[in-house]
Amino acid sequence: KAGVTQTPRYLIKTRGQQVTLSCSPISGHRSVSWYQQTPGQGLQFLFEYFSETQRNKGNFPGRFSGRQFSNSRSEMNVSTLELGDSALYLCASSRGGSGPEAFFGQGTRLTVV
Amino acid sequence: SQQGEEDPQALSIQEGENATMNCSYKTSINNLQWYRQNSGRGLVHLILIRSNEREKHSGRLRVTLDTSKKSSSLLITASRAADTASYFCATENTDKLIFGTGTRLQVFP
Repeated sequence: KAGVTQTPRYLIKTRGQQVTLSCSPISGHRSVSWYQQTPGQGLQFLFEYFSETQRNKGNFPGRFSGRQFSNSRSEMNVSTLELGDSALYLCASSRGGSGPEAFFGQGTRLTVV
Repeated sequence: SQQGEEDPQALSIQEGENATMNCSYKTSINNLQWYRQNSGRGLVHLILIRSNEREKHSGRLRVTLDTSKKSSSLLITASRAADTASYFCATENTDKLIFGTGTRLQVFP
């Protein structure tokens, strides 16, 4: 079956702009989580959605938001981009519920200039 | 920060040697998972150990968990050059994965 698909793979934006990243989970998976990975901070949890509801949220400012659609596809949005938002953004899908492994997409590499 | 820590940060070994990575975490957990990441790409799930388990094996991988010490270790036996990657532990609680800082493993042929 198809894996987790993230689009776009690479993105260059200017400070102050906003960006939307997309994630299509594995078919049948209802949980989608987003992570930010930077050399300095490592892998940081952004938020998790299950059946269109945000269940968990990490310690990121309100500029970072997300949503999940009825087909489980998810988007995350970052408004008023800052240089420090440059990172690899990873999406992971799982069946949901305690225990199941997470399947990750290849990530979107965002560069803010 | 809830983030766990891994030790060592980096490890270089020769093919055929064993590699051991340690992970310490801070909160109570339902399970602990290990992931592998090749340079700048997505993570791949390796193995999961539940909080009531002490040891688990999968192929050349052996994972231990000590909940009293809030620590885990990953042993890769008979390493290969293809094992070169970053390895992360992740603790799961309330459907949220919290990742450690990672260990960069380099295996020289």
